[in-house]
Amino acid sequence: DAKTTQPPSMDCAEGRAANLPCNHSTISGNEYVYWYRQIHSQGPQYIIHGLKNNETNEMASLIITEDRKSSTLILPHATLRDTAVYYCIVRVVRAGNMLTFGGGTRLMVKP
Amino acid sequence: NAGVTQTPKFQVLKTGQSMTLQCAQDMNHNSMYWYRQDPGMGLRLIYYSASEGTTDKGEVPNGYNVSRLNKREFSLRLESAAPSQTSVYFCASTRASFNFGAEQYFGPGTRLTVT
Repeated sequence: DAKTTQPPSMDCAEGRAANLPCNHSTISGNEYVYWYRQIHSQGPQYIIHGLKNNETNEMASLIITEDRKSSTLILPHATLRDTAVYYCIVRVVRAGNMLTFGGGTRLMVKP
Repeated sequence: NAGVTQTPKFQVLKTGQSMTLQCAQDMNHNSMYWYRQDPGMGLRLIYYSASEGTTDKGEVPNGYNVSRLNKREFSLRLESAAPSQTSVYFCASTRASFNFGAEQYFGPGTRLTVT
C-alpha cells in the first residue's frame, strides 16, 4: 500500500470548514483513498473513501486531485465533536482488507 | 442495530493469566479483525478472518489465538498474558465488497492491563 503524509496537527474554528490534506504521491491505479477518524478513547470511525472522483456523504467531502497524488478531506461545518485524529489511508481492496494506520492529523476544533 | 460490540470493556490481568476477548457484529459482515493500539500509536493488526471458517495472522500475532465461532463472532485469546500485551484492543468488521470498497466498522475497544 502507498505511503501517506499528513500534517501532525491542525486547528479549526467551530462552524468553519476543516480542510485536511494528505499526500500520497506513490499511489497506484488500483488503490483507494480512505479516511478514518478516532475520537479520544473510542474505536476508529470510517468517514469516506474514493478512487478517482470526488465523493460526498453526510459526514464529509473527499477531493482527489486529477493525478491522484494528493487528496483533501473537507468537514464543511466543523463542530467541537469533530475534534479527533484523522487518518488518511491508501490501499488496495483485497482479501483481508487490512488497514494500516499511520500518524494521522490531530484536528482541534476551537470555539 | 448495535454494530460491533466487544466485551469486556476493561480488564486487569496478572502475568501468566489467560483470558478471551469477545467480539460480535450484527451487520452480516463477512470479514472480521482484531487490532491493538498502544498509547500514542496507530493500530496494528493481530489476526483477521476474511470469511467464516478462515483466520490469518496479521502484523503482530505472537501471544494470541483467535476463533471465528460463526459469522457474527470473532474471539481473541491470550493464553499467558504478558505486560507487553497491555493495550487497547479493537475488533472491526467489513462487508468486504470488492465492488464498493470495504470500509471497516470498529467496536468500542477493550482496555487491557497486564501487571
